[in-house]
Amino acid sequence: GAGVSQSPSNKVTEKGKDVELRCDPISGHTALYWYRQRLGQGLEFLIYFQGNSAPDKSGLPSDRFSAERTGESVSTLTIQRTQQEDSAVYLCASSLGLAGGLERDTQYFGPGTRLTVL
Amino acid sequence: GESVGLHLPTLSVQEGDNSIINCAYSNSASDYFIWYKQESGKGPQFIIDIRSNMDKRQGQRVTVLLNKTVKHLSLQIAATQPGDSAVYFCAEIRYGQNFVFGPGTRLSVLP
Repeated sequence: GAGVSQSPSNKVTEKGKDVELRCDPISGHTALYWYRQRLGQGLEFLIYFQGNSAPDKSGLPSDRFSAERTGESVSTLTIQRTQQEDSAVYLCASSLGLAGGLERDTQYFGPGTRLTVL
Repeated sequence: GESVGLHLPTLSVQEGDNSIINCAYSNSASDYFIWYKQESGKGPQFIIDIRSNMDKRQGQRVTVLLNKTVKHLSLQIAATQPGDSAVYFCAEIRYGQNFVFGPGTRLSVLP
């Protein structure tokens, strides 16, 4: 379909290992967001890309977390030296983008990657 | 008062007054609802959430009300402050499926 896709859908890893999560936004969407949702909790904003602007990294919980985006396409979220507390569903969303940085438009979310750190 | 602008509905309130921001959702099977706040140029910030088996939940200065009969969600902000000026949007979530944030409401706090 034409929605946001994420891979893998599930990832089980051992504590201390690095993981890389991928997001393919909807074609033409200039804005891309990463969120984390721990079991039973709300979405926690991680990072936001808007076009060629510097990303808003204010939500990244530690320097073990990083994300990149190539142009206005795929994004990868990398977690280094994973900890058990990193276990969560990681969600990516994209939207058409912010005209002049002032407007919000609807975000479309991918199905998420469920990360389990043993 | 509340008006519909070119892109977003806008709510203007006096500082110190209470604000009520409304949201209509579409899927009666949604499991979970979230209110987010987004300031210009920044990513969204989680405000408060509510599960579909609840009809009210309170946080610090905020209350969310859920009316499943009419598929309506509201966010009440007590004693609105200038720092509350932002776009507020609700999200409906059904686990296992893509979920969508609404277009949002811009809250402007007047001095």
